[in-house]
Amino acid sequence: GQNIDQPTEMTATEGAIVQINCTYQTSGFNGLFWYQQHAGEAPTFLSYNVLDGLEEKGRFSSFLSRSKGYSYLLLKELQMKDSASYLCAGLDSNYQLIWGAGTKLIIKP
Amino acid sequence: SQTIHQWPATLVQPVGSPLSLECTVEGTSNPNLYWYRQAAGRGLQLLFYSVGIGQISSEVPQNLSASRPQDRQFILSSKKLLLSDSGFYLCAWSVQQDYNEQFFGPGTRLTVL
Repeated sequence: GQNIDQPTEMTATEGAIVQINCTYQTSGFNGLFWYQQHAGEAPTFLSYNVLDGLEEKGRFSSFLSRSKGYSYLLLKELQMKDSASYLCAGLDSNYQLIWGAGTKLIIKP
Repeated sequence: SQTIHQWPATLVQPVGSPLSLECTVEGTSNPNLYWYRQAAGRGLQLLFYSVGIGQISSEVPQNLSASRPQDRQFILSSKKLLLSDSGFYLCAWSVQQDYNEQFFGPGTRLTVL
């Protein structure tokens, strides 16, 4: 079956760095997405990885290892506005997104 | 630029009543369209997706249905709501034949009492 696993909740301190991990099992693989979702709002796109390695975009970076079925989202210089849920989603062979349950990130001052 | 609209933003309905949620996309043609439901504190559950007018794929059997009467219009319906239908309903679109980055509408918060 297809499955996306990520931690339910994480806590970090303002100004620090946090890494949110995601492991995936999909029927075929066409890439890995990360979305951010603030409470009560729609998800917004953060990153897409299809090749192994690190993609950096400002304070956010995303890493993919296809051989390990593993990805992480790295958030640097955390700000209070980064408090949100972070959704990992794998793109299967039919180009359908398989969604994880999301990781709720709590930022403390 | 492309925009996606959903309405209403919030809805409170009694058990057994009908439902109609509408989603429209502007600024693009022949998009893939999706309906998701998100229960409180949970991930996204894909309900329906459509690759064209009148083409609907159902992912989860339930008392909901979807229709796509026009290229950029996607409607989610129910004849009789259940308590378990409460949740946050999200419509999304993506470009056909693309890597499927999905763009979400603002969502409808449905409470069934």
